[in-house]
Amino acid sequence: DAKTTQPNSMESNEEEPVHLPCNHSTISGTDYIHWYRQLPSQGPEYVIHGLTSNVNNRMASLAIAEDRKSSTLILHRATLRDAAVYYCIRTLSSNTGKLIFGQGTTLQVKP
Amino acid sequence: EPEVTQTPSHQVTQMGQEVILRCVPISNHLYFYWYRQILGQKVEFLVSFYNNEISEKSEIFDDQFSVERPDGSNFTLKIRSTKLEDSAMYFCASSEGNRGYQPQHFGDGTRLSIL
Repeated sequence: DAKTTQPNSMESNEEEPVHLPCNHSTISGTDYIHWYRQLPSQGPEYVIHGLTSNVNNRMASLAIAEDRKSSTLILHRATLRDAAVYYCIRTLSSNTGKLIFGQGTTLQVKP
Repeated sequence: EPEVTQTPSHQVTQMGQEVILRCVPISNHLYFYWYRQILGQKVEFLVSFYNNEISEKSEIFDDQFSVERPDGSNFTLKIRSTKLEDSAMYFCASSEGNRGYQPQHFGDGTRLSIL
């Protein structure tokens, strides 16, 4: 079961940080956590991934709980361009590459 | 930055006709995928392809669908006899490998409209 749970929607103000939560309570020890986002009328875009440690890249940070049952995607300063659907996806250790998308979290950014 | 490109951006086809959707993956990638997204619904996996073979396919990917890598750069999805319910956005993706830590890079999709 590759299920993750995310809130349906969140709002943020421009230039403020955003914390997008994800629950993956059935995750196994070798599953990775990936985040993708989908801007309007575009394909999904890779954001970040992690296994156990917190991760940073130019787009975002990923904070992973010590028990790995949840994680949080952090956008440090939201811009209007960050308005998108954000997907938290587990990639299984036995993965053949297939990504299983849920409904994701629709992030609205207010000016 | 290299990207996955898909053509056409919009395809309109009569029901029952064959359609071919085209993708140019990132050049050093070895794994290729097709996904689809019906309007207002989730992105759904269709098929993965590696070393000129299908690695995995979903229940959606029935015998009306086929994939091919006809040359060193293109990756195509063919639907033999289109149905109204095939109307969707179709996304191609590619990755260097299929390990859990290797991200997929998506194109911006082809909108397929079946009349």
